[in-house]
Amino acid sequence: AQSVSQHNHHVILSEAASLELGCNYSYGGTVNLFWYVQYPGQHLQLLLKYFSGDPLVKGIKGFEAEFIKSKFSFNLRKPSVQWSDTAEYFCAVNTNTGNQFYFGTGTSLTVIP
Amino acid sequence: DSGVTQTPKHLITATGQRVTLRCSPRSGDLSVYWYQQSLDQGLQFLIQYYNGEERAKGNILERFSAQQFPDLHSELNLSSLELGDSALYFCASSVGIAGRRNSYEQYFGPGTRLTVT
Repeated sequence: AQSVSQHNHHVILSEAASLELGCNYSYGGTVNLFWYVQYPGQHLQLLLKYFSGDPLVKGIKGFEAEFIKSKFSFNLRKPSVQWSDTAEYFCAVNTNTGNQFYFGTGTSLTVIP
Repeated sequence: DSGVTQTPKHLITATGQRVTLRCSPRSGDLSVYWYQQSLDQGLQFLIQYYNGEERAKGNILERFSAQQFPDLHSELNLSSLELGDSALYFCASSVGIAGRRNSYEQYFGPGTRLTVT
């Protein structure tokens, strides 16, 4: 079965620090990749998505992610985090052979002012 | 606001009871997904409907069932509730069926927080 791994469970950063959250998936075929963010008390919102083309995708709020097919990875990055980025971040994968979306267990990011 | 609505926002009930959670997808979306989010399990996919038909099943217990109605709203029925069913239940919708090359992202509702006492 397909799975999504987010290795960082909790990340604490100071404002202006750079962020990289890891996401790896296990599926050998074509995938569609997503990062969602869940701010405290809110629902999940789409940050960015990759379907095809340029493996470096840019999303909202200055986030970007790079798809590295050979590493089965889709890591999320932001050059300079802000206090308002404090949230839970979820990586998700959808394959072209199924109807399911597979979510990682999430990474809790706390940004200290 | 994603355009997906869920009711109720909060639900407190006792063990053994049955509850129904409701979801209205974004206008034009045919696909509805249900997820359970708990502290220890993360976000677990339960079930997906497309235009009234069940399309995919995830980690959904036999005590749980769902359906999608002709107006495309969906209901998740949870019965014989146990303490461990306490969680946040999210509904998401998308335009079409996931798995196609131009797959569509999901838009999530605000969730229903279920507390079983």
